[in-house]
Amino acid sequence: GNSVTQMEGPVTLSEEAFLTINCTYTATGYPSLFWYVQYPGEGLQLLLKATKADDKGSNKGFEATYRKETTSFHLEKGSVQVSDSAVYFCALNGNNRLAFGKGNQVVVIP
Amino acid sequence: EAQVTQNPRYLITVTGKKLTVTCSQNMNHEYMSWYRQDPGLGLRQIYYSMNVEVTDKGDVPEGYKVSRKEKRNFPLILESPSPNQTSLYFCASRLTIADPYNEQFFGPGTRLTVL
Repeated sequence: GNSVTQMEGPVTLSEEAFLTINCTYTATGYPSLFWYVQYPGEGLQLLLKATKADDKGSNKGFEATYRKETTSFHLEKGSVQVSDSAVYFCALNGNNRLAFGKGNQVVVIP
Repeated sequence: EAQVTQNPRYLITVTGKKLTVTCSQNMNHEYMSWYRQDPGLGLRQIYYSMNVEVTDKGDVPEGYKVSRKEKRNFPLILESPSPNQTSLYFCASRLTIADPYNEQFFGPGTRLTVL
């Protein structure tokens, strides 16, 4: 079945550092891929998406490229801010549902 | 404002006392869903509904019931809550599951504690 795997553990980094969060997926066909962000005390909100191979989703300085050959959709940001501290979820759409990864807590220290 | 609302936001109850968490969306979405979020397990889908009177089990449906009598509402019912249902619950909706590209909107969450 469809599944999403995110790298283990929280990510702690300093302001203006480069952020990468790895996401790989298993799916049949060509699913749509998403990154959602959850700020403290809030629900999830869509950060960016990509609908086909080699598509690049981008928003708020974050980017992710749909890599079919490596079944990956890694999230990157060149210079993080304290306000980027949140939990980030990778997700794919298939079989009448969104399948989510376990999420990564990102803590940005001033 | 387009939104998904949930009530209550916080609830502490005791084992066996039936409860309902309400969910409502004002976007005329066909598809609605319930998730629970637990540390180390991420989000797991409980039930989903593709339209009025159409519901189906997600990954962790045991101990939960849902109904979809109107398009805007999708309540989650715990007939006999147990401590292992202590969790953070999210309702979500999207226009239709038929379009794989459309965005799913989430409610603010309900933190449930079962003693």
